[in-house]
Amino acid sequence: GAVVSQHPSRVICKSGTSVKIECRSLDFQATTMFWYRQFPKQSLMLMATSNEGSKATYEQGVEKDKFLINHASLTLSTLTVTSAHPEDSSFYICSALDRGVSNEQFFGPGTRLTVL
Amino acid sequence: AQSVTQPDIHITVSEGASLELRCNYSYGATPYLFWYVQSPGQGLQLLLKYFSGDTLVQGIKGFEAEFKRSQSSFNLRKPSVHWSDAAEYFCARYGGSQGNLIFGKGTKLSVKP
Repeated sequence: GAVVSQHPSRVICKSGTSVKIECRSLDFQATTMFWYRQFPKQSLMLMATSNEGSKATYEQGVEKDKFLINHASLTLSTLTVTSAHPEDSSFYICSALDRGVSNEQFFGPGTRLTVL
Repeated sequence: AQSVTQPDIHITVSEGASLELRCNYSYGATPYLFWYVQSPGQGLQLLLKYFSGDTLVQGIKGFEAEFKRSQSSFNLRKPSVHWSDAAEYFCARYGGSQGNLIFGKGTKLSVKP
C-alpha cells in the first residue's frame, strides 16, 4: 500500500513554544489529508480536514488559531501547534486520501507530543 | 449523530483460538465501514472495508467481517489467532463527504501463549 510519513515521531517542548508536525504522502498525491488526535486509551478524533491549496476545515471545538494547518503541496501537509500547553500533549496522527484506484486513507505512524 | 461503538475495551484470547471483535454503528442506511489495526509505533493499517455487495468481507491477515444491517453491526473475526495479532483494533465509518473517518474507541487484543 501507499506510504505516509510523519515527522517528528516524538517531540518534547516547553510550554509556550510552537511545534510543527509534517505529514507526507511518499508515493501518491493527496489533495486531501486529515489530522486526528488520539488520547490515551481513546479513539482517534478528527481535528481538521486539509485540502491542497485551500483553507483547512476544522471540526467543532478545535481552535484554528492554535492548530495551524497548511497544505501547500499535493504531498505535504503541516500541523503547527502554537503556544503549546501541557493539555496539548497527545498523539497526533495524519492520514492522506488516495483518490486514485483505491480511494483509501493511508495513515502516518503518528507524532507523540509532550508539552512540559 | 453518526457514531461507532466498540463495546469491548480489552480482549484476551489464547493463541490458536478464534476471535470476534464487536462493532456497532448508528445512523445511516448504508454506512461505509472499516476495520483498522494499530500496532505500537506504526500507523493504522486497513484490514478490510465494506461499501456494498457481499456482506461477508475478506481482509488481510486472515481476517473477515460480516455486515449485518438488522443488527447495525460489523464484527471482525479470525478463526485462529496468532501472537502477532496482538494490537489495538479500530472500527470506523465514513463521517462525511470529504472522506473523513469516525472511529470507535478501539479494542485492545492480547494473545496469551
